[in-house]
Amino acid sequence: QQQVKQSPQSLIVQKGGISIINCAYENTAFDYFPWYQQFPGKGPALLIAIRPDVSEKKEGRFTISFNKSAKQFSLHIMDSQPGDSATYFCAASRLPGNQFYFGTGTSLTVIP
Amino acid sequence: DSGVTQTPKHLITATGQRVTLRCSPRSGDLSVYWYQQSLDQGLQFLIQYYNGEERAKGNILERFSAQQFPDLHSELNLSSLELGDSALYFCASSSRTSGRNEQFFGPGTRLTVL
Repeated sequence: QQQVKQSPQSLIVQKGGISIINCAYENTAFDYFPWYQQFPGKGPALLIAIRPDVSEKKEGRFTISFNKSAKQFSLHIMDSQPGDSATYFCAASRLPGNQFYFGTGTSLTVIP
Repeated sequence: DSGVTQTPKHLITATGQRVTLRCSPRSGDLSVYWYQQSLDQGLQFLIQYYNGEERAKGNILERFSAQQFPDLHSELNLSSLELGDSALYFCASSSRTSGRNEQFFGPGTRLTVL
C-alpha cells in the first residue's frame, strides 16, 4: 500500500513557468514532509522540508504548501529553469529519525 | 557531495549469486537506511540501523540482510539473486541527535542481475 501518493508522474513546463507537484498521505502520525530532488545517476538530495505546524515554507524559488486537514502537500517551483529538470520525490515520516515513505516521483522537464 | 559513500558504484552478477553492498555514513551519523529504487516501484525502504542495532524493517526480502558495524559502516547482503533484484540501491544516513530528520543519500549502487 502506497503511503504517500504523488502526482503527476511527469511534467513539462516552459522556462519561467511554475511547476506544481502534489502529494497526499493517509497516516496522520506523519509529522515531517521533505521533498527530494534527484538528477540522473545521483542519489536524492534534500530540497526543502516542512513540519505540519506551518502551512507554507519558502526557500528561494521553492515553496511547500501544506494542508493538514486535507492531508495534502505540494511543491511549487517558481520561475522554473532548465537546470531544475530532474525527478522530484515527496516523502513523509514520523520524527525523529524514522523511515521515509516516498512518493513514486515526478519527472520534471523544463523547456528552454 | 552528501558525505555518504557507497561501494561499488556498479555491480553485474548472475542469478543465484550473492553480493555485498557497502555504505559509509556521514561522519557522526548514527542511523543508516537502505532503500531500493526500481523503475516501477520508486524508492522503497528496506531497513534501518541505529548505532549497530536494527531499528526498523520495511519491504526487505528474506534473501536480503544487513548489518551495521562498530565503526558505523553498513553492509547490505543480497543472496540467491533474481532478475527482479536489478535496481539502484541507496544508503542514507541521518543524525538523530541533531533533532532533525534529514536523510543524506549516497550516490547508490547499480545492481544488474543477468
